[in-house]
Amino acid sequence: NAGVTQTPKFQVLKTGQSMTLQCAQDMNHEYMSWYRQDPGMGLRLIHYSVGAGITDQGEVPNGYNVSRSTTEDFPLRLLSAAPSQTSVYFCASSYSTGSYGYTFGSGTRLTVV
Amino acid sequence: AQSVTQLDSHVSVSEGTPVLLRCNYSSSYSPSLFWYVQHPNKGLQLLLKYTSAATLVKGINGFEAEFKKSETSFHLTKPSAHMSDAAEYFCVVRTSYDKVIFGPGTSLSVIP
Repeated sequence: NAGVTQTPKFQVLKTGQSMTLQCAQDMNHEYMSWYRQDPGMGLRLIHYSVGAGITDQGEVPNGYNVSRSTTEDFPLRLLSAAPSQTSVYFCASSYSTGSYGYTFGSGTRLTVV
Repeated sequence: AQSVTQLDSHVSVSEGTPVLLRCNYSSSYSPSLFWYVQHPNKGLQLLLKYTSAATLVKGINGFEAEFKKSETSFHLTKPSAHMSDAAEYFCVVRTSYDKVIFGPGTSLSVIP
């Protein structure tokens, strides 16, 4: 099925560990983004990309890195996990720059202990 | 600066009665406005969008929303609630690709 695929669905990390959250879309969308969802705060933009080779920071980028080597993939890297990064992470994609809405993945629930 | 206020953190309705989820926004520019729905342990699904065309927007599953510029509101309605409508609903304001603000969400409960 066409859509946005995120892996893993669940992850537990120890403080200081690193990991990569994977995101892939098969809709040839130019725009991809990462959000974190915390209780009572809606979703906040971490990083986004308007095309392969182009990335930029969103509202809460500290502690996260991204790259976009292909149109399909947009991985999110946590370099040194902290308990404050415990959250649910969503990847989203859209045609152009999202003016017509986004397609979201099913999320990755990350716990940092 | 732009912001989104969802006036109710939780709404409870009986099955078959109308649903009203309220959203007010502030934006310096003409925004695009969206409503998304999130069922438990799922991703977000686009319900409807306003992008400066008709002010009354129809979405999926019988939902609609009306853009009122004078009131800076974009309330979501449905004439008759169904049990499957129980979920979290997010109002979203977008003015550019890096200026996307999600409201805190409204949890909708539907009582049989």
